[in-house]
Amino acid sequence: GQNIDQPTEMTATEGAIVQINCTYQTSGFNGLFWYQQHAGEAPTFLSYNVLDGLEEKGRFSSFLSRSKGYSYLLLKELQMKDSASYLCAVSDSNYQLIWGAGTKLIIKP
Amino acid sequence: GAVVSQHPSRVICKSGTSVKIECRSLDFQATTMFWYRQFPKKSLMLMATSNEGSKATYEQGVEKDKFLINHASLTLSTLTVTSAHPEDSSFYICSARGLAGGDYEQYFGPGTRLTVT
Repeated sequence: GQNIDQPTEMTATEGAIVQINCTYQTSGFNGLFWYQQHAGEAPTFLSYNVLDGLEEKGRFSSFLSRSKGYSYLLLKELQMKDSASYLCAVSDSNYQLIWGAGTKLIIKP
Repeated sequence: GAVVSQHPSRVICKSGTSVKIECRSLDFQATTMFWYRQFPKKSLMLMATSNEGSKATYEQGVEKDKFLINHASLTLSTLTVTSAHPEDSSFYICSARGLAGGDYEQYFGPGTRLTVT
């Protein structure tokens, strides 16, 4: 079966760095996405990785290792507004998104 | 990026009535649209995939007669919840994938909060 695993909840301090991990087992692979979702809102796109390596975009970076079925989202210089759920999703062989359950990130002052 | 809109953003309806939710791609042609349902503190659940001009493909466990999906044009898909019941109360989100967005990325609408009383 297809499976995406990520931690349920994480807590970090404002100004710090946090890494959210995601492991996956899917039928085919056409890329991995990270989305941010604030409570009561739809997800917003953060990053897309299809090749191994690190993609940096401002305070957010995303890493992919296809051989390990592993990705992480790295958030630097955390701000209170970064408190949200972070969803990992993999595009399978049919370009359909398989979703993780999301990681709720709590930022403390 | 591409913009997807949903209407209405919130709707309250009485049990037994039907509700229509619209999803529009504003600046690109959406060859494929997806409808998701999200329960509190849960991940997105794909309900159905619709391609323009053809019947929607429903996920296992989703009643196609209850959740009617129409993708009549390249910029509009509608989800109609028929004979709504309180257990249908949820957050419904559409996404669109199309020519301008490339083959891999889905653009999400802002979601519709449905409350059935």
